[in-house]
Amino acid sequence: QSVLTQPPSASGAPGQRVTIPCSGSSSNIGTNIVNWYQQLPGTAPKLLIYVGFPRPSGVPDRFSGSKSGTSASLAISGLQSEDEAVYYCAAWDDTLKGVLFGGGTKVIVL
Amino acid sequence: EVQLVESGGGLEQPGGSLRLSCAASGFTLSRYEMNWVRQAPGKGLEWVSYISVSGGSIYYADSVKGRFTVSRDNAKNSLYLQMNALRAEDTAVYYCARDGTGGFSFDIWGQGTKVTV
Repeated sequence: QSVLTQPPSASGAPGQRVTIPCSGSSSNIGTNIVNWYQQLPGTAPKLLIYVGFPRPSGVPDRFSGSKSGTSASLAISGLQSEDEAVYYCAAWDDTLKGVLFGGGTKVIVL
Repeated sequence: EVQLVESGGGLEQPGGSLRLSCAASGFTLSRYEMNWVRQAPGKGLEWVSYISVSGGSIYYADSVKGRFTVSRDNAKNSLYLQMNALRAEDTAVYYCARDGTGGFSFDIWGQGTKVTV
Protein backbone atom coordinates (compact mmCIF):
# COMPACT_ATOMS: atom_id res chain seq x y z
CA GLN A 1 0.00 0.00 0.00
CA SER A 2 1.45 3.33 -1.16
CA VAL A 3 1.71 6.12 1.39
CA LEU A 4 1.39 8.61 -1.46
CA THR A 5 -2.17 8.41 -2.75
CA GLN A 6 -3.13 8.88 -6.38
CA PRO A 7 -6.31 7.97 -8.24
CA PRO A 8 -5.88 4.85 -10.38
CA SER A 9 -7.05 6.56 -13.54
CA ALA A 10 -7.87 9.87 -15.16
CA SER A 11 -9.14 10.70 -18.62
CA GLY A 12 -9.79 13.53 -20.98
CA ALA A 13 -10.42 14.32 -24.60
CA PRO A 14 -7.65 15.62 -26.83
CA GLY A 15 -6.94 19.24 -26.07
CA GLN A 16 -8.46 19.13 -22.62
CA ARG A 17 -6.71 19.62 -19.30
CA VAL A 18 -6.22 16.75 -16.88
CA THR A 19 -5.08 17.12 -13.29
CA ILE A 20 -3.67 14.27 -11.20
CA PRO A 21 -3.61 14.73 -7.42
CA CYS A 22 -1.11 13.16 -5.05
CA SER A 23 -1.74 13.16 -1.32
CA GLY A 24 0.96 12.58 1.26
CA SER A 25 1.98 13.79 4.69
CA SER A 26 4.26 16.23 6.47
CA SER A 27 7.18 13.79 6.40
CA ASN A 28 7.21 13.47 2.63
CA ILE A 29 5.37 15.92 0.37
CA GLY A 30 5.15 18.47 3.15
CA THR A 31 8.91 18.67 3.51
CA ASN A 32 10.63 17.39 0.40
CA ILE A 33 10.75 17.76 -3.36
CA VAL A 34 7.86 16.14 -5.18
CA ASN A 35 8.74 14.41 -8.42
CA TRP A 36 6.48 13.24 -11.21
CA TYR A 37 7.40 10.43 -13.58
CA GLN A 38 5.82 9.32 -16.82
CA GLN A 39 5.97 5.68 -17.83
CA LEU A 40 4.93 4.76 -21.33
CA PRO A 41 4.02 1.11 -21.93
CA GLY A 42 7.05 -1.17 -21.94
CA THR A 43 9.54 1.57 -21.16
CA ALA A 44 11.48 2.86 -18.17
CA PRO A 45 10.04 5.77 -16.23
CA LYS A 46 10.99 9.28 -17.26
CA LEU A 47 11.37 12.28 -14.97
CA LEU A 48 8.69 14.76 -15.95
CA ILE A 49 8.60 17.34 -13.20
CA TYR A 50 10.38 18.10 -9.97
CA VAL A 51 8.07 20.58 -8.40
CA GLY A 52 9.52 24.01 -7.80
CA PHE A 53 12.32 23.61 -10.32
CA PRO A 54 12.57 24.12 -14.09
CA ARG A 55 11.23 21.27 -16.20
CA PRO A 56 13.87 18.79 -17.35
CA SER A 57 15.12 19.37 -20.85
CA GLY A 58 12.75 18.09 -23.50
CA VAL A 59 9.62 18.05 -21.33
CA PRO A 60 6.85 20.06 -23.02
CA ASP A 61 5.48 23.04 -21.12
CA ARG A 62 2.05 21.38 -21.30
CA PHE A 63 3.16 19.56 -18.17
CA SER A 64 3.21 21.48 -14.90
CA GLY A 65 3.39 20.59 -11.24
CA SER A 66 2.41 22.25 -8.01
CA LYS A 67 2.46 21.59 -4.30
CA SER A 68 0.43 22.88 -1.39
CA GLY A 69 0.99 21.60 2.11
CA THR A 70 0.97 17.81 2.02
CA SER A 71 -0.58 17.51 -1.44
CA ALA A 72 0.76 17.90 -4.94
CA SER A 73 -0.68 17.76 -8.41
CA LEU A 74 0.38 17.26 -11.99
CA ALA A 75 -1.49 19.08 -14.72
CA ILE A 76 -1.44 18.17 -18.39
CA SER A 77 -2.92 20.84 -20.62
CA GLY A 78 -3.69 20.41 -24.30
CA LEU A 79 -3.92 16.64 -23.83
CA GLN A 80 -2.43 14.63 -26.69
CA SER A 81 -2.71 10.96 -27.59
CA GLU A 82 0.97 10.42 -26.81
CA ASP A 83 0.28 11.46 -23.22
CA GLU A 84 -1.42 8.11 -22.60
CA ALA A 85 0.81 6.67 -19.92
CA VAL A 86 1.01 5.95 -16.22
CA TYR A 87 2.09 8.87 -14.05
CA TYR A 88 3.71 8.45 -10.64
CA CYS A 89 4.34 10.98 -7.92
CA ALA A 90 7.28 10.40 -5.60
CA ALA A 91 9.04 12.01 -2.66
CA TRP A 92 11.60 11.22 -0.01
CA ASP A 93 10.09 10.42 3.39
CA ASP A 94 12.03 11.72 6.39
CA THR A 95 10.44 9.25 8.81
CA LEU A 96 10.71 6.09 6.72
CA LYS A 97 14.12 7.13 5.33
CA GLY A 98 13.14 6.07 1.87
CA VAL A 99 11.58 7.22 -1.37
CA LEU A 100 7.85 6.75 -1.64
CA PHE A 101 6.04 6.35 -4.94
CA GLY A 102 2.34 6.83 -5.44
CA GLY A 103 0.40 3.91 -6.84
CA GLY A 104 0.32 5.46 -10.29
CA THR A 105 -2.42 7.07 -12.35
CA LYS A 106 -3.19 5.80 -15.83
CA VAL A 107 -4.15 8.65 -18.11
CA ILE A 108 -6.52 7.74 -20.90
CA VAL A 109 -7.02 10.02 -23.88
CA LEU A 110 -10.60 9.60 -25.03
CA GLU B 1 25.16 9.77 -24.67
CA VAL B 2 24.27 9.71 -21.02
CA GLN B 3 22.97 6.27 -20.11
CA LEU B 4 22.71 3.51 -17.55
CA VAL B 5 22.75 -0.16 -18.51
CA GLU B 6 21.70 -2.85 -16.05
CA SER B 7 22.71 -6.49 -16.25
CA GLY B 8 22.70 -9.62 -14.12
CA GLY B 9 19.01 -10.40 -13.99
CA GLY B 10 17.63 -13.86 -14.58
CA LEU B 11 15.75 -16.80 -13.10
CA GLU B 12 16.69 -17.86 -9.58
CA GLN B 13 15.21 -20.21 -7.01
CA PRO B 14 13.75 -18.93 -3.74
CA GLY B 15 16.55 -18.54 -1.25
CA GLY B 16 19.11 -17.98 -3.98
CA SER B 17 21.26 -14.99 -4.85
CA LEU B 18 21.79 -12.66 -7.76
CA ARG B 19 24.07 -9.69 -8.30
CA LEU B 20 22.83 -6.88 -10.48
CA SER B 21 25.19 -4.41 -12.12
CA CYS B 22 24.55 -0.97 -13.53
CA ALA B 23 27.12 0.55 -15.87
CA ALA B 24 27.13 4.29 -16.36
CA SER B 25 28.37 5.99 -19.49
CA GLY B 26 28.41 9.55 -20.75
CA PHE B 27 28.78 10.96 -17.25
CA THR B 28 30.92 10.53 -14.15
CA LEU B 29 29.11 8.25 -11.72
CA SER B 30 31.18 9.50 -8.79
CA ARG B 31 29.37 12.85 -8.90
CA TYR B 32 25.91 11.41 -8.34
CA GLU B 33 23.88 9.66 -5.71
CA MET B 34 22.30 6.51 -7.08
CA ASN B 35 19.24 4.38 -6.46
CA TRP B 36 17.63 1.08 -7.35
CA VAL B 37 13.91 0.96 -8.12
CA ARG B 38 11.89 -2.12 -9.01
CA GLN B 39 8.57 -2.86 -10.65
CA ALA B 40 6.75 -6.14 -10.14
CA PRO B 41 4.76 -7.45 -13.11
CA GLY B 42 1.71 -5.28 -13.67
CA LYS B 43 2.43 -3.21 -10.58
CA GLY B 44 3.74 0.23 -9.72
CA LEU B 45 7.20 1.48 -8.92
CA GLU B 46 8.87 0.55 -5.64
CA TRP B 47 12.06 2.20 -4.42
CA VAL B 48 14.62 -0.36 -3.25
CA SER B 49 17.85 1.33 -2.21
CA TYR B 50 19.93 4.53 -2.16
CA ILE B 51 23.69 5.02 -2.00
CA SER B 52 25.51 8.30 -1.55
CA VAL B 53 28.38 9.50 -3.72
CA SER B 54 31.02 8.08 -1.38
CA GLY B 55 29.01 5.02 -0.38
CA GLY B 56 29.07 6.20 3.19
CA SER B 57 25.31 6.67 3.40
CA ILE B 58 22.99 3.85 2.37
CA TYR B 59 19.26 3.28 2.78
CA TYR B 60 17.01 0.33 1.98
CA ALA B 61 13.31 -0.30 1.72
CA ASP B 62 12.04 -2.40 4.62
CA SER B 63 11.06 -5.13 2.17
CA VAL B 64 14.72 -5.82 1.27
CA LYS B 65 16.59 -4.72 4.37
CA GLY B 66 18.99 -7.40 5.61
CA ARG B 67 18.84 -9.29 2.31
CA PHE B 68 20.02 -6.80 -0.32
CA THR B 69 23.29 -4.86 -0.36
CA VAL B 70 23.98 -1.86 -2.57
CA SER B 71 27.52 -0.84 -3.47
CA ARG B 72 29.38 1.19 -6.04
CA ASP B 73 32.77 1.29 -7.71
CA ASN B 74 33.28 4.83 -8.89
CA ALA B 75 36.54 3.92 -10.59
CA LYS B 76 34.60 1.49 -12.78
CA ASN B 77 31.61 3.84 -13.15
CA SER B 78 29.42 1.04 -11.84
CA LEU B 79 26.67 0.42 -9.31
CA TYR B 80 25.73 -2.97 -7.87
CA LEU B 81 22.90 -4.67 -6.02
CA GLN B 82 23.66 -7.95 -4.27
CA MET B 83 20.40 -9.79 -3.70
CA ASN B 84 20.40 -12.68 -1.22
CA ALA B 85 17.66 -14.87 0.26
CA LEU B 86 15.48 -14.13 -2.73
CA ARG B 87 11.72 -14.49 -2.42
CA ALA B 88 8.96 -14.84 -4.97
CA GLU B 89 7.88 -11.29 -4.17
CA ASP B 90 11.27 -9.99 -5.37
CA THR B 91 10.24 -10.86 -8.93
CA ALA B 92 10.39 -7.57 -10.81
CA VAL B 93 12.20 -5.47 -13.33
CA TYR B 94 15.02 -3.70 -11.52
CA TYR B 95 16.07 -0.23 -12.63
CA CYS B 96 19.08 1.78 -11.56
CA ALA B 97 18.41 5.50 -11.48
CA ARG B 98 20.58 8.59 -11.15
CA ASP B 99 19.65 11.32 -8.70
CA GLY B 100 20.29 14.38 -10.80
CA THR B 101 19.46 17.00 -8.21
CA GLY B 102 20.34 15.60 -4.83
CA GLY B 103 16.64 15.75 -4.00
CA PHE B 104 15.81 12.22 -5.06
CA SER B 105 14.78 13.35 -8.55
CA PHE B 106 15.72 10.43 -10.78
CA ASP B 107 16.67 12.04 -14.07
CA ILE B 108 18.37 9.09 -15.78
CA TRP B 109 17.05 5.51 -15.70
CA GLY B 110 18.42 2.32 -17.14
CA GLN B 111 16.35 0.06 -19.35
CA GLY B 112 15.89 -2.40 -16.49
CA THR B 113 16.89 -6.00 -15.88
CA LYS B 114 14.31 -8.68 -15.15
CA VAL B 115 14.58 -10.84 -12.05
CA THR B 116 12.33 -13.88 -11.69
CA VAL B 117 12.26 -15.85 -8.44
